[in-house]
Amino acid sequence: NAGVMQNPRHLVRRRGQEARLRCSPMKGHSHVYWYRQLPEEGLKFMVYLQKENIIDESGMPKERFSAEFPKEGPSILRIQQVVRGDSAAYFCASSLGTGSSYEQYFGPGTRLTVT
Amino acid sequence: GENVEQHPSTLSVQEGDSAVIKCTYSDSASNYFPWYKQELGKRPQLIIDIRSNVGEKKDQRIAVTLNKTAKHFSLHITETQPEDSAVYFCAAISSARQLTFGSGTQLTVLP
Repeated sequence: NAGVMQNPRHLVRRRGQEARLRCSPMKGHSHVYWYRQLPEEGLKFMVYLQKENIIDESGMPKERFSAEFPKEGPSILRIQQVVRGDSAAYFCASSLGTGSSYEQYFGPGTRLTVT
Repeated sequence: GENVEQHPSTLSVQEGDSAVIKCTYSDSASNYFPWYKQELGKRPQLIIDIRSNVGEKKDQRIAVTLNKTAKHFSLHITETQPEDSAVYFCAAISSARQLTFGSGTQLTVLP
């Protein structure tokens, strides 16, 4: 099963530490999206990446958050100096991104808890 | 940017009855409308989608309708079963390719 993979599934960090979340897209997919879901809320777009390029980061906070999708390896969402408000489920999704292929398939998510 | 509104926020139906969830969107350039089902603690799963050149699409017990003029689309689930209980999200994509989600509907199917 070459579905979207995310790790870790659960991550606990103390305030001020760094969190690194990883996402491997489905085989053949070159477009990756990160979404954040607060408890009992909907999903909010954060950032859209292609290999080595950030296409749209309009949903990502300007400070402490960064994302990359290197030529080799998974996409990484990095949160520096975490605060309690960063506690959420972070989902990535991938798509083919070609032509009219819009379908996005989600990974299992990383549940970040900041203590 | 795009804004998607979803109603109702909670919906309870008896097993075997139908369930309807409605969404409206604001960006007339949006051209793809997926629906996701999310069970507690799980990932959102794509269950059906519709493109702007189609008015209706059906897949077994699930159907989606789209009214481009009114900018609204709906999910219809017939012959509901307890395993249909979950949170359902509508979404819309415009040329920006990012999904804008509705706020979700908690569907409970009562046995």
